[in-house]
Amino acid sequence: DTAVSQTPKYLVTQMGNDKSIKCEQNLGHDTMYWYKQDSKKFLKIMFSYNNKELIINETVPNRFSPKSPDKAHLNLHINSLELGDSAVYFCASRPGKQETQYFGPGTRLLVL
Amino acid sequence: AQSVTQPDIHITVSEGASLELRCNYSYGATPYLFWYVQSPGQGLQLLLKYFSGDTLVQGIKGFEAEFKRSQSSFNLRKPSVHWSDAAEYFCAVGDQYGNKLVFGAGTILRVKS
Repeated sequence: DTAVSQTPKYLVTQMGNDKSIKCEQNLGHDTMYWYKQDSKKFLKIMFSYNNKELIINETVPNRFSPKSPDKAHLNLHINSLELGDSAVYFCASRPGKQETQYFGPGTRLLVL
Repeated sequence: AQSVTQPDIHITVSEGASLELRCNYSYGATPYLFWYVQSPGQGLQLLLKYFSGDTLVQGIKGFEAEFKRSQSSFNLRKPSVHWSDAAEYFCAVGDQYGNKLVFGAGTILRVKS
């Protein structure tokens, strides 16, 4: 009965590769997010989707492309991976306005 | 745009002692405030939140936080710390809809026996 799940949990890859991280929530929430936590544990929002529509797009390289096939899924595709992309990526979801965001367990990405 | 400052990077307390973690925010409108906890290698768990109403909010695991508008603060407290509370704690402020969260840099709590 996992609420917000992410796959994979760990991802080790080479520079220049393209990879995807998947997020699914079974809570029926309308809004989903991607956050990046860097090596200093600093958490920063990247994207937010509401009912498959992009509503927040922070200053993120266009190598990062979110895709929301339906309300329950928000995937993150990263092209031409760089060393600086190494981080923990968290997915989150929220039922509606003025409600709490619930976070997934994170995907630990290491780019070599 | 909102911002959050957590002045203490590390705090060490003895088991059974009281705890206060500081959080100061900046936001032009009524803030939505959160405390999350992250154990090593784990995701973020919500401890408590403030949206409106009573400025003293109770959370899980015996934590509470007090919203003080005059001081732009939302400090987290616990009267008696347990060894299992050792983790990293993040304060966050949301926009007027609680949508875009901005996090502080986190405070690492160490508990000594």
